[in-house]
Amino acid sequence: DAGVIQSPRHEVTEMGQEVTLRCKPISGHNSLFWYRQTMMRGLELLIYFNNNVPIDDSGMPEDRFSAKMPNASFSTLKIQPSEPRDSAVYFCASSLGDSMDTQYFGPGTRLTVL
Amino acid sequence: GDSVTQMEGPVTLSEEAFLTINCTYTATGYPSLFWYVQYPGEGLQLLLKATKADDKGSNKGFEATYRKETTSFHLEKGSVQVSDSAVYFCALSVRDSNYQLIWGAGTKLIIKP
Repeated sequence: DAGVIQSPRHEVTEMGQEVTLRCKPISGHNSLFWYRQTMMRGLELLIYFNNNVPIDDSGMPEDRFSAKMPNASFSTLKIQPSEPRDSAVYFCASSLGDSMDTQYFGPGTRLTVL
Repeated sequence: GDSVTQMEGPVTLSEEAFLTINCTYTATGYPSLFWYVQYPGEGLQLLLKATKADDKGSNKGFEATYRKETTSFHLEKGSVQVSDSAVYFCALSVRDSNYQLIWGAGTKLIIKP
């Protein structure tokens, strides 16, 4: 049974470029989370979807960040324009949708912005 | 607001030593409590959880007991192995919390052979 799938696994780009991170949640899960992990700030929740609808985007750092979930099996996180301070590991996680449910994490995308 | 506090790392132990990683929480409701583990280069994965007071979660030799009176959920293991080296995250979830987990900062564990 496939877990959460993220692509790409690594991304190196130059400042000012657009970056798109992709996530395929576990089939049947109706909640999806985007996290960012850095040494300085630890694990931060960026945005949370339930049934493809954004519920809480208060963690999105600024307007340069946007996230979509056009259907139950796909989500994107876009950064435009990217900046060096966006360098981090970005995780996608999914769950069945109850607050007591386990969140299943993908392997992450390591983003480096030069 | 709700919060989780973990002991700072790194924690360095020798193989077969006893492990305790402290976790305390503050919550307005009745939280469920979780320990997640992150191995190098991987995403987080659930290690164990407990959903009500006095419950004990256990997995892979790790245990944690939900202590409401001390608002704690300390992680323990009787004999650690090199393969247990990882970062451990304590987290809580409160019903009606918008399905979010409140995360601790993580504790890095290093086990030396």
